[in-house]
Amino acid sequence: DAKTTQPPSMDCAEGRAANLPCNHSTISGNEYVYWYRQIHSQGPQYIIHGLKNNETNEMASLIITEDRKSSTLILPHATLRDTAVYYCIVRPFAAGTYKYIFGTGTRLKVLA
Amino acid sequence: DTGVSQNPRHKITKRGQNVTFRCDPISEHNRLYWYRQTLGQGPEFLTYFQNEAQLEKSRLLSDRFSAERPKGSFSTLEIQRTEQGDSAMYLCASSLSSGTYEQYFGPGTRLTVT
Repeated sequence: DAKTTQPPSMDCAEGRAANLPCNHSTISGNEYVYWYRQIHSQGPQYIIHGLKNNETNEMASLIITEDRKSSTLILPHATLRDTAVYYCIVRPFAAGTYKYIFGTGTRLKVLA
Repeated sequence: DTGVSQNPRHKITKRGQNVTFRCDPISEHNRLYWYRQTLGQGPEFLTYFQNEAQLEKSRLLSDRFSAERPKGSFSTLEIQRTEQGDSAMYLCASSLSSGTYEQYFGPGTRLTVT
C-alpha cells in the first residue's frame, strides 16, 4: 500500500500558485519524498524530490515540514499545461528497495 | 531525444495471443523498471533489473509474464496467452544506480485485449 495520502482533486486558477499537499505521517528517517505528474495518456514525469530540506528547481518547489510528516508541492504560476495527476511517493534511500509505490494521486485542474 | 522510449505505443490483440513490448532506457542508466497502470489507478510495480539481472518481481507478475534484459541495455516484456484483464498501460522507467535514484519514465505501451 502507498505510504502517502493526497486529496483526490484540486482546482487552481491560471497564473496563481498551486499548492498540492501530501501526508506521509509514517515516513522513516531514510525515506525521500518524490513528486511526479502524469498528463493524460503519458508516462509519469519526474518533478522534484527531497529528504528534509526545502527544494526548488525550474518546475516547482517542495516544502517538507520539520517533522517530515507532510509536504507541499508548489507550482508558482500554474498554466493550463500543468493540468495533470500529481503523485507523491516516499521511498527509502537504501540498497534493495528501489521500486515506487504509487497512490491514486491528486488530479489538478488549472482553470482559465 | 535521449529519454526512455517504448515500442509499440499501442497494441490491440485478441485474447489468447502473445504480445511483446520493448523498452529502451536512457543510455547511461543501469536500472530498468516495468510498471502497469489501469484506468484511474497509479502505476503498479512489476519488476526491475540492474544491468541484465532481474532483481525483484512483484506478485502481479504471473507465470504468463516474462521480462528480459539480455545485454543490460533494452528490455522486453512478454505476455503469453493474454487475457482481458491484461488490458492496461505498461510503463518502463530507468534510473542510475547512484545518487537518489529518481526514475525517468517512458511514454508507455497501451495494451487492449479484445
